[in-house]
Amino acid sequence: DAGVIQSPRHEVTEMGQEVTLRCKPISGHNSLFWYRQTMMRGLELLIYFNNNVPIDDSGMPEDRFSAKMPNASFSTLKIQPSEPRDSAVYFCASSLDGGVSYNEQFFGPGTRLTVL
Amino acid sequence: GEDVEQSLFLSVREGDSSVINCTYTDSSSTYLYWYKQEPGAGLQLLTYIFSNMDMKQDQRLTVLLNKKDKHLSLRIADTQTGDSAIYFCAEKATDKLIFGTGTRLQVFP
Repeated sequence: DAGVIQSPRHEVTEMGQEVTLRCKPISGHNSLFWYRQTMMRGLELLIYFNNNVPIDDSGMPEDRFSAKMPNASFSTLKIQPSEPRDSAVYFCASSLDGGVSYNEQFFGPGTRLTVL
Repeated sequence: GEDVEQSLFLSVREGDSSVINCTYTDSSSTYLYWYKQEPGAGLQLLTYIFSNMDMKQDQRLTVLLNKKDKHLSLRIADTQTGDSAIYFCAEKATDKLIFGTGTRLQVFP
């Protein structure tokens, strides 16, 4: 398996532009997580899906952020309009949620976003 | 509430043991984890421990869990330069993981 795939790996954009980050989870996994990592705030959970349904989006910073999972093999995180403070590394992770299992989360390589 | 805390930095000499500590607040956590993040990469599961255990050993890694004090530690024996990375402690809360701030381990010759 190729693991969790994220694109693009790097994104540089100007303030006010729309940014779309993409994620392909590991085939067969039923949970998908979006994280943001910055030096100031560390690793933050933004939103997670189970069976394509958003379960907890309490970590989404504000209305400028939205996430979708139209099917089991694809998810997007959109920022519109982007701001310089959104600059961070965004990670997607997936897991097979099996109830009492230890549920290892597999992380993608991340997208480094720079908003000028 | 859910909160996981770690010290930010640890520096050790190659060949020595490293001990990374973590405290958590959710006593109902069923699993606790250690993830490793190498530069420019995502997090990768290093090891985990079930909450009814107090110790787990896996080659150079030893995990100790003190449920009474809600304290988790990771010991790396014979630390190598390749162990230089950020180490995250995490607890399982229902369907999601709560990660700590991460401890940056630097190994010097």
